[in-house]
Formats: sequence, structure tokens, C-alpha cells
Amino acid sequence: DTGVSQDPRHKITKRGQNVTFRCDPISEHNRLYWYRQTLGQGPEFLTYFQNEAQLEKSRLLSDRFSAERPKGSFSTLEIQRTEQGDSAMYLCASSLVSFPRRPSYEQYFGPGTRLTVT
Amino acid sequence: GIQVEQSPPDLILQEGANSTLRCNFSDSVNNLQWFHQNPWGQLINLFYIPSGTKQNGRLSATTVATERYSLLYISSSQTTDSGVYFCAVDVGWWDTDKLIFGTGTRLQVFP
Repeated sequence: DTGVSQDPRHKITKRGQNVTFRCDPISEHNRLYWYRQTLGQGPEFLTYFQNEAQLEKSRLLSDRFSAERPKGSFSTLEIQRTEQGDSAMYLCASSLVSFPRRPSYEQYFGPGTRLTVT
Repeated sequence: GIQVEQSPPDLILQEGANSTLRCNFSDSVNNLQWFHQNPWGQLINLFYIPSGTKQNGRLSATTVATERYSLLYISSSQTTDSGVYFCAVDVGWWDTDKLIFGTGTRLQVFP
């Protein structure tokens, strides 16, 4: 089992460009989450998927952000028309949720994609 | 929303010392996890501990859910323990389990 992977690990882009990040969860995990972490802060929740369905989006996820998980496996996070305020570490996590559902499940994080917008 | 506060914000230790990190949360939680974020940004799972006590080597954790706090104990600290320690809680029920992270404790261990 290889854990959660993310690609790329680093991305430098100019303001106004579009960027896309990829996350591959732990293979048997059915739930996938995106978080964002700015310097000196803890990660903040952005959105999550149960299989291919996007079930919740944070208010932090503006219209310029879109996330997909088309086949219920890997996920992509796209940022359009990047702004300097988008510079952050973007973290992906996954968990295995079974039914009947227990209250909560352990989440495992990938290494993150560090975005710098110049 | 729920508030998650960690103390102390910064901790400087010499190798071999012991330490206790605290996490206070303002509402009932379904899940509590402790993470170590290494200098490269990777969040490493330490404990999944919504209640009770667990131990893993030099680390142990205790969560007293009724009093809304959790403690992380690090014994015989090593330089590799340096980094930021986060606790994170989940307050959701059936359809959400997003984690709310605390403010973090930055630990520096010197030889």
C-alpha cells in the first residue's frame, strides 16, 4: 500500500494562469478530501467526495476552484485565473467509510502540492 | 463553529527531555487526530483518539471527551521530533467528517 500521492509536489505559476493538481488516494479508500494550508496556519477544509459524488464544499472554495473525482478513484483540483492569495499548500486526504456508519474515520494525508503564484 | 486551541504555541527542548502538548476544543467531537507535520510539510498520523488513552513507542495520547481536551506526551525527545504538532477534530455526523485543525504547537529539539 503506497499511501496518498499528489502531483506535482511544487508548482510556480504566474497570476492569471490556470493550474491543476492531482491526488491519488489509498487504493481501497472511498472518501477523498482537499484541504488548503497557508503559512503558519493549520490546514482548512475545502471539499470532499464520497466515491465520485462531491458532498460538501467550503465557503473557501470560490467559483475559480473546481474539483472532480470522475471515476471515484483519483481527484483533480483546478484553480482558474490564479491570484497571489491562492499561494498555499494544497493537501489531499483519504479515508475508508463503511456502512452502517461509525461516527468518524481516520484520515490519511498526502505530501501536498505547494503552489506559488507570482 | 467549533474552536480548537493548542498550547503551548512554541516549545524548545533539549534532546532527552519530556513534554506535554494540549488541545482544547469547544464542542463535542466524534473524532480527534494528532498529526506531526515535518519540515517538508507532510502530515504524519500519530493517533486517532476520540477518547481514551493510546501509546506508540515514546508517544502517548489521552483524550477526555467529557472535559473537551486531549494531551500528547512525548518522552525522551529526539531531534527528529522537531516540527509542528496539530490536533484536528471532526464534529460532523452522517454525511460529513471534515477535520477542523488546531492552531498547532511548533516543537524544536536541540542536541
